[in-house]
Amino acid sequence: AAGVIQSPRHLIKEKRETATLKCYPIPRHDTVYWYQQGPGQDPQFLISFYEKMQSDKGSIPDRFSAQQFSDYHSELNMSSLELGDSALYFCASSLGESGNTIYFGEGSWLTVV
Amino acid sequence: GQNIDQPTEMTATEGAIVQINCTYQTSGFNGLFWYQQHAGEAPTFLSYNVLDGLEEKGRFSSFLSRSKGYSYLLLKELQMKDSASYLCAVSERGSTLGRLYFGRGTQLTVWP
Repeated sequence: AAGVIQSPRHLIKEKRETATLKCYPIPRHDTVYWYQQGPGQDPQFLISFYEKMQSDKGSIPDRFSAQQFSDYHSELNMSSLELGDSALYFCASSLGESGNTIYFGEGSWLTVV
Repeated sequence: GQNIDQPTEMTATEGAIVQINCTYQTSGFNGLFWYQQHAGEAPTFLSYNVLDGLEEKGRFSSFLSRSKGYSYLLLKELQMKDSASYLCAVSERGSTLGRLYFGRGTQLTVWP
């Protein structure tokens, strides 16, 4: 079965650069969530979208922005990167905001040097 | 707020049964998830509990008591491949279901 697809899987950027992560949800899933997981940390919720509208916002820095497109894929844009942004970024998807199963992608490793 | 607590580490032997406990405090409970995560990989969905009681799915079962703010994940017939981190995550009422608050995870090591 198709899963949540994230790209790129690995990304290395320098401080103050910009990075864009992409997420393609499971087909027919209309809700997308972004999480950040630092080394040895638990995943932290950043932001979510339902039917192309932002539905919830967590601890996402102002330097980050995200959107969901008409085909339900989502992009997380990160600017003015800092060393502390180095983390594994997960995208998850579900069917509707009340779907009882939330599936995670394999994540995008961002390293800021 | 949320306060999700689970043991940091557990060990067990192949073929055994292990129970991983999770306690939580939330301002409004919406559901509890268990995920398995191997190092550097995505969390894999194991179970979802919204009502009190036991949910069984193959070798894995999950139990919830909302009045006690308590859940456990039961793994039977342990296999080496079950060595992983097990994350307890809670969804709160008033936010989207997928806005999950994770515990720090329980690192399970299965010995031969």
